Amino acid sequence: EADIYQTPRYLVIGTGKKITLECSQTMGHDKMYWYQQDPGMELHLIHYSYGVNSTEKGDLSSESTVSRIRTEHFPLTLESARPSHTSQYLCASSEGTSTSEQYFGPGTRLTVT
Amino acid sequence: KNQVEQSPQSLIILEGKNCTLQCNYTVSPFSNLRWYKQDTGRGPVSLTIMTFSENTKSNGRYTATLDADTKQSSLHITASQLSDSASYICVICDRGSTLGRLYFGRGTQLTVWP
Repeated sequence: EADIYQTPRYLVIGTGKKITLECSQTMGHDKMYWYQQDPGMELHLIHYSYGVNSTEKGDLSSESTVSRIRTEHFPLTLESARPSHTSQYLCASSEGTSTSEQYFGPGTRLTVT
Repeated sequence: KNQVEQSPQSLIILEGKNCTLQCNYTVSPFSNLRWYKQDTGRGPVSLTIMTFSENTKSNGRYTATLDADTKQSSLHITASQLSDSASYICVICDRGSTLGRLYFGRGTQLTVWP
């Protein structure tokens, strides 16, 4: 079992609210990632980080933002939630090499009403 | 078009039976191919990681094969158990990027019935 945690696990929130999805890992990994996954579809990379103070946008355009102030913490923020943001958000981390295994958190299921 | 195609999309088998899941990909060059198991509402968990030079790799009742020439991989599950019910995702790690970019298939949804 990987030591990577996400909170909350489930979130139902109204349109226009600001939300922050938390992700923490205790493995000391430099690289961290956020993926978005809709039911029956593949995972899409929306943000990644090579380390502290490093953040980059992924392949799928997202209105969310991320920050990496500490190695172990990689929160994702939506300033104004919309129904189109309804999805599952998965956080992952890996060691420094490009071929290292990625360890995934349990995910946050977000529903915006 | 997704660069990782998996078949079948879904599969139902009886407990104790074997099954084989398929993965075709176009990602090239790649550094490794991974199979993940994803339980409903959970994050993916790695089953095997194979480099392009490996042909087969086992992890308990799971055996993955790779044919880099035809760009095909399979995951064979032996003596299935109810707990094997999950989505099985084929993932290719791109060799060309420092990030180690991953290309995901949509998964095969396996259901094991008692």
